[in-house]
Amino acid sequence: AQSVTQPDIHITVSEGASLELRCNYSYGATPYLFWYVQSPGQGLQLLLKYFSGDTLVQGIKGFEAEFKRSQSSFNLRKPSVHWSDAAEYFCAVGSSTPGTYKYIFGTGTRLKVLA
Amino acid sequence: EAQVTQNPRYLITVTGKKLTVTCSQNMNHEYMSWYRQDPGLGLRQIYYSMNVEVTDKGDVPEGYKVSRKEKRNFPLILESPSPNQTSLYFCASSLRPSSGGQTYEQYFGPGTRLTVT
Repeated sequence: AQSVTQPDIHITVSEGASLELRCNYSYGATPYLFWYVQSPGQGLQLLLKYFSGDTLVQGIKGFEAEFKRSQSSFNLRKPSVHWSDAAEYFCAVGSSTPGTYKYIFGTGTRLKVLA
Repeated sequence: EAQVTQNPRYLITVTGKKLTVTCSQNMNHEYMSWYRQDPGLGLRQIYYSMNVEVTDKGDVPEGYKVSRKEKRNFPLILESPSPNQTSLYFCASSLRPSSGGQTYEQYFGPGTRLTVT
């Protein structure tokens, strides 16, 4: 069965520190992979996506993610966190099977940034 | 401005009273989808549509209906709402993946907070 696991429900980092949010997925083929961010009371905004090509993907707001097929992981990283990065982050898997448009989201990781 | 709009943004209703949440996009997207967001569960896909008159179930379709009679609109219908459908609902749309596999991001609406008492 397809699934997405974000093992960390909450993460707290100091401003300026590096960040890594973990995402593991289970999918039969190579899926579409996404990271979204949701600020309090807001909708979701795409940070980055991956389907093929370079396994290190650059996104907006200084985020990057690395696809590791052998580990079924797509971890999100940022070298230096800003207070405005405090939000909830969702990893998502999209079906690459023609004829479907199924998406599965992880349960999210809430990031707190200490000044 | 390119956007996905949802109405209403907030709705409090009673068990069994039929309701419709509208979703409209102005980007000429083929794909549209409905999600519900619950604490600790993330977003779960309810239904999706790949084109006019083409809809299919997501992971949690029970208790919901959808229709896609026009490309821009994808309403979510709760014919007999129950308290377990109290949730935050999001509509999203995107372009169809290209023949080369290039996928496109989903654009999300602002959400509809539904409370069923």
